[in-house]
Amino acid sequence: SQTIHQWPATLVQPVGSPLSLECTVEGTSNPNLYWYRQAAGRGLQLLFYSVGIGQISSEVPQNLSASRPQDRQFILSSKKLLLSDSGFYLCAWLSSGGRNEQFFGPGTRLTVL
Amino acid sequence: QKEVEQNSGPLSVPEGAIASLNCTYSDRGSQSFFWYRQYSGKSPELIMFIYSNGDKEDGRFTAQLNKASQYVSLLIRDSQPSDSATYLCAVNPTGSARQLTFGSGTQLTVLP
Repeated sequence: SQTIHQWPATLVQPVGSPLSLECTVEGTSNPNLYWYRQAAGRGLQLLFYSVGIGQISSEVPQNLSASRPQDRQFILSSKKLLLSDSGFYLCAWLSSGGRNEQFFGPGTRLTVL
Repeated sequence: QKEVEQNSGPLSVPEGAIASLNCTYSDRGSQSFFWYRQYSGKSPELIMFIYSNGDKEDGRFTAQLNKASQYVSLLIRDSQPSDSATYLCAVNPTGSARQLTFGSGTQLTVLP
């Protein structure tokens, strides 16, 4: 069965510091992967998605970037965090059964101070 | 802009009652519809999907889809306190087979 991991689970960072969040998927190959952000009390905002190694599509212009160095690894980064980057970051993968279902990892809660 | 709208709530129902959660969407060409449950502090969990007009039942959950009215709903029968969560509606928009557009969610509280 497929499993998705994210780390760290929680992170507190000062404004202006760098960021690296990691997502890995097990039990599937060549998955479509997604990064979402959920601000407090808000819906999910799609940040990036990737259909394969080195292929990244950005949905929202911002100071974040994403990379996919390996088939089952998806990384979210920033060089300098802003206060507005605080939120719950969720990685998701698209099921391969043709039903367009997305399944989420446990998430990383980021607080920028 | 393709939108998914949900009443943010909070919606409160007594234990054992039917909870009705509603969602409207603007993209008439949308084909796939999903309901996710999100407990406080946790990630969303897929609980239902529906593609065809009508009802789809899974245990205590029933998803209802009316494409003509661009309306999808989730009914929870015999609501339990453990159903207290935020329910997110998601729609697969036209031309974006690999993406979902999410509503902002409805917070449901089931009172014991």
